[in-house]
Amino acid sequence: DARVTQTPRHKVTEMGQEVTMRCQPILGHNTVFWYRQTMMQGLELLAYFRNRAPLDDSGMPKDRFSAEMPDATLATLKIQPSEPRDSAVYFCASGQGYTGELFFGEGSRLTVL
Amino acid sequence: KQEVTQIPAALSVPEGENLVLNCSFTDSAIYNLQWFRQDPGKGLTSLLLIQSSQREQTSGRLNASLDKSSGRSTLYIAASQPGDSATYLCAVCGYGGSQGNLIFGKGTKLSVKP
Repeated sequence: DARVTQTPRHKVTEMGQEVTMRCQPILGHNTVFWYRQTMMQGLELLAYFRNRAPLDDSGMPKDRFSAEMPDATLATLKIQPSEPRDSAVYFCASGQGYTGELFFGEGSRLTVL
Repeated sequence: KQEVTQIPAALSVPEGENLVLNCSFTDSAIYNLQWFRQDPGKGLTSLLLIQSSQREQTSGRLNASLDKSSGRSTLYIAASQPGDSATYLCAVCGYGGSQGNLIFGKGTKLSVKP
């Protein structure tokens, strides 16, 4: 049963701490997306990769967020330093090609105190 | 800039009723449109994907239609069941520099009462 796996599922941290979220896309998928979901803003795209190359990270606050794909089986989203306004659910999604069906992980719920 | 709107934000219906969820988008130059379901505390599950050249897609009790020229899509759910209770989101995929970037609506929260 192929699925996108995200860790951690829940993270509570204090303001100023570094947070790293990880995603294992579905094997064979070549596009990976990071989204953030909040009640106020809904789902917002932070960054996406095709064949491990970053294509668009315009939705990401560059001064504190960074996204990477060190290999085809791992995508990471890092926040340093974290702030209370970063509290949200962060989703990873993967797909084949630019415009096919997307498969989402179950999300990482981040709370920054 | 593409904007996606879903109305109503919440909907409550009795079990067995047929219902329609609406999605509208401002830029008709889309590549495809997807409908997703999200259960509380869970990720999104893709329900139906309609390519821009298609008018509708069906899966079981679900039927999604697309009218690009008017910037509208509907998701029809037949004979609703309590298990259909969830938030339904539509997302459009556009052409151009952000190809592959899905723009999401904020969803319609559906509650089906037994």
